Amino acid sequence: NAGVTQTPKFRVLKTGQSMTLLCAQDMNHEYMYWYRQDPGMGLRLIHYSVGEGTTAKGEVPDGYNVSRLKKQNFLLGLESAAPSQTSVYFCASRGTGRNYGYTFGSGTRLTVV
Amino acid sequence: DAKTTQPNSMESNEEEPVHLPCNHSTISGTDYIHWYRQLPSQGPEYVIHGLTSNVNNRMASLAIAEDRKSSTLILHRATLRDAAVYYCILSNAGGTSYGKLTFGQGTILTVHP
Repeated sequence: NAGVTQTPKFRVLKTGQSMTLLCAQDMNHEYMYWYRQDPGMGLRLIHYSVGEGTTAKGEVPDGYNVSRLKKQNFLLGLESAAPSQTSVYFCASRGTGRNYGYTFGSGTRLTVV
Repeated sequence: DAKTTQPNSMESNEEEPVHLPCNHSTISGTDYIHWYRQLPSQGPEYVIHGLTSNVNNRMASLAIAEDRKSSTLILHRATLRDAAVYYCILSNAGGTSYGKLTFGQGTILTVHP
């Protein structure tokens, strides 16, 4: 089925460890986004990309890096994980024109201890 | 970014219509009105979006006020599966915003059997 796939679904990290979250979409969407959601709160934008090879900072970019080497993939990296980065991470993509709705992945639940 | 105001929570009975209001008095002429919903432990799901005219799809209807300062999401017959947090979001595809979604707290919809 077409959609957005996030891997892994769950992960526990120790403080200071690094990891990469992968987001893949098969809808040929230009725009991709990474959000985080803390308990009881709405989603906050971390980084986004408007096309292959481009990235930009969102609302809460500190402590994260991203890359968009291929149109279908958007990677979110944590170089040195901190407990404050414990959250659920959602990736999303969207098309343009009539196909304007966002499609979200099912999320990655990350715990930093 | 223009903000939206939604009630914190609403309740409905199964098989009855539900009208979820949203105020967006500072909306700009190029802002689209988006609705997403988030079921427990899932990523947000696109419901509907519109610019000026009322919109219908298989999930819901979107009624937009003539001055565009408010809108209403209409679920024609609520089911237990419609229990979720509903987010009303303004998104501008142009300029420097690149169609980013800014999530508020949303409306928690409870559906009673």
